[in-house]
Amino acid sequence: GAGVSQSPRYKVAKRGQDVALRCDPISGHVSLFWYQQALGQGPEFLTYFQNEAQLDKSGLPSDRFFAERPEGSVSTLKIQRTQQEDSAVYLCASSNDRGRHEQYFGPGTRLTVT
Amino acid sequence: DAKTTQPPSMDCAEGRAANLPCNHSTISGNEYVYWYRQIHSQGPQYIIHGLKNNETNEMASLIITEDRKSSTLILPHATLRDTAVYYCIVRVSGSARQLTFGSGTQLTVLP
Repeated sequence: GAGVSQSPRYKVAKRGQDVALRCDPISGHVSLFWYQQALGQGPEFLTYFQNEAQLDKSGLPSDRFFAERPEGSVSTLKIQRTQQEDSAVYLCASSNDRGRHEQYFGPGTRLTVT
Repeated sequence: DAKTTQPPSMDCAEGRAANLPCNHSTISGNEYVYWYRQIHSQGPQYIIHGLKNNETNEMASLIITEDRKSSTLILPHATLRDTAVYYCIVRVSGSARQLTFGSGTQLTVLP
């Protein structure tokens, strides 16, 4: 595709429900990042993949958050037993790991937990 | 990565140059200055980056002071579509590492 895509764009979940957010990176991009952006704040790093390997998950706020990228392309961020504080925009970015390592961002998924 | 300081908001008249400052007094010798912007309801977008020389591309110019402790992003002829939050980020280039965003500067271009 032309850019990074994410789905769904909007998700409303009741507290306690599990959600799965999908990211389709730019074809051929090795690196994939997930960020969380609370209202009025800058994005904050959650986790990083190089191909299918999750090399850094230091930003995941709790063990309710889980990410995977089994074939080194599409990635899914899963949040179990959602809480109100999980309400945020979840951004995915990919990079080709060459040159300046510019990151290309998707439009994000806005998660609202009620 | 070094911490950056930006003013929370700025206004600019349409057609005029927008000059966005950033302080990064603790920057290390191998750290670059990156600028991204985020238009409302979109993901961040890369603008430009530099080490110590001034840089220019089709979107903007980046002026870095000689001591590298501060920089200025210049949008030469701001348009309404340039209204966005602008983030100044300092990081080591050539490494696949996450970006550390601050709060950024909300630039509002006024008609």
